[in-house]
Amino acid sequence: NAGVMQNPRHLVRRRGQEARLRCSPMKGHSHVYWYRQLPEEGLKFMVYLQKENIIDESGMPKERFSAEFPKEGPSILRIQQVVRGDSAAYFCASSAIVGNTIYFGEGSWLTVV
Amino acid sequence: DAKTTQPTSMDCAEGRAANLPCNHSTISGNEYVYWYRQIHSQGPQYIIHGLKNNETNEMASLIITEDRKSSTLILPHATLRDTAVYYCIVRLTLNAGNMLTFGGGTRLMVKP
Repeated sequence: NAGVMQNPRHLVRRRGQEARLRCSPMKGHSHVYWYRQLPEEGLKFMVYLQKENIIDESGMPKERFSAEFPKEGPSILRIQQVVRGDSAAYFCASSAIVGNTIYFGEGSWLTVV
Repeated sequence: DAKTTQPTSMDCAEGRAANLPCNHSTISGNEYVYWYRQIHSQGPQYIIHGLKNNETNEMASLIITEDRKSSTLILPHATLRDTAVYYCIVRLTLNAGNMLTFGGGTRLMVKP
């Protein structure tokens, strides 16, 4: 049973470009979470989604960031017009149902130059 | 969710047991204690969780005090690969808001 799959693992973008990070949850999991970890800082919750619904986006920056989890396909975290401060590791996690154990992917490292 | 308090860092000799404490004095009756670890440049890895009873799996043991105000994660025979940041998280799992809130964790250094 494959774990949470994230791609790309490493992404370099110039300032002003768009970054798209993809996350395929574990098989049978319909709940997805995105976290961000800035260099030398802790993990911060960004958004929690179920299929086709955003449940909690209290940790998402108000501008330039969006997330979706369509009926078919992976969850996407999209960052528009990236700035240097967006350079971070972005971790996706998934769980089967509310309250079940949450499992993390290996992360996508975004570098903005 | 209740807050947790962990030591910032700990050392452990290779082959010895690593005992990582966590204080969660404001935990409520329906909150679970979860432990994760993050090895450098990797994603957080689930270790174990429990509600009241002590728990053991292939990775570790979790000892929760009777009043549930504190717990200890035990790695019975630490190896160099157990060097990581260990996070103790108290989590309400019943409904929306069941995400994990990470604190600073304990940086465990296993030494030869």
